[in-house]
Amino acid sequence: EAGVAQSPRYKIIEKRQSVAFWCNPISGHATLYWYQQILGQGPKLLIQFQNNGVVDDSQLPKDRFSAERLKGVDSTLKIQPAKLEDSAVYLCASSLDPSGYYEQYFGPGTRLTVT
Amino acid sequence: GENVEQHPSTLSVQEGDSAVIKCTYSDSASNYFPWYKQELGKGPQLIIDIRSNVGEKKDQRIAVTLNKTAKHFSLHITETQPEDSAVYFCAARSGGGADGLTFGKGTHLIIQP
Repeated sequence: EAGVAQSPRYKIIEKRQSVAFWCNPISGHATLYWYQQILGQGPKLLIQFQNNGVVDDSQLPKDRFSAERLKGVDSTLKIQPAKLEDSAVYLCASSLDPSGYYEQYFGPGTRLTVT
Repeated sequence: GENVEQHPSTLSVQEGDSAVIKCTYSDSASNYFPWYKQELGKGPQLIIDIRSNVGEKKDQRIAVTLNKTAKHFSLHITETQPEDSAVYFCAARSGGGADGLTFGKGTHLIIQP
């Protein structure tokens, strides 16, 4: 079974530029999550999708971050404009359904450096 | 919202000894507690989990215990090996439809040869 795919793996941009990350979850997984992991900390949930609908985006900085999951499969996370404090690893995870009885599988992440 | 505290931040043990990492959580409605292992440059990988209706779970050298009354849970690794060196995260999931995990800050486990 293929795992969660993310691209790019690394990205370096200047502050105020925009950037987008892509995620392809495990086939058949209805729930998709984006987490932000700042160096030395645990991942923090940004947004959760159930199919193509948003379940929880309470910790997403909506003035600069946006995410979509068209057709309930792939997802993109965008930052516009980026700030220095956005430097982090952005992790995508998926699970079979949100009942809590299925584990979340994580992708390798995209390491973003904002200079 | 949920808050998860994890200790210690760094743990160094001799190969073959046991390692214990402890976490506390704040939301009494939390019902699922996974442990993840993260190696450099990789995403977190689930190693064991426990649900609120169970007090202990074991999988070979790894075990997790849960005390719902005290709101804390622990990871136990016995007979540690060099490949156990990594950062370990505990997490908690609150009840309800939104089930994103709240993570601790991580423990860097170092296995000394």
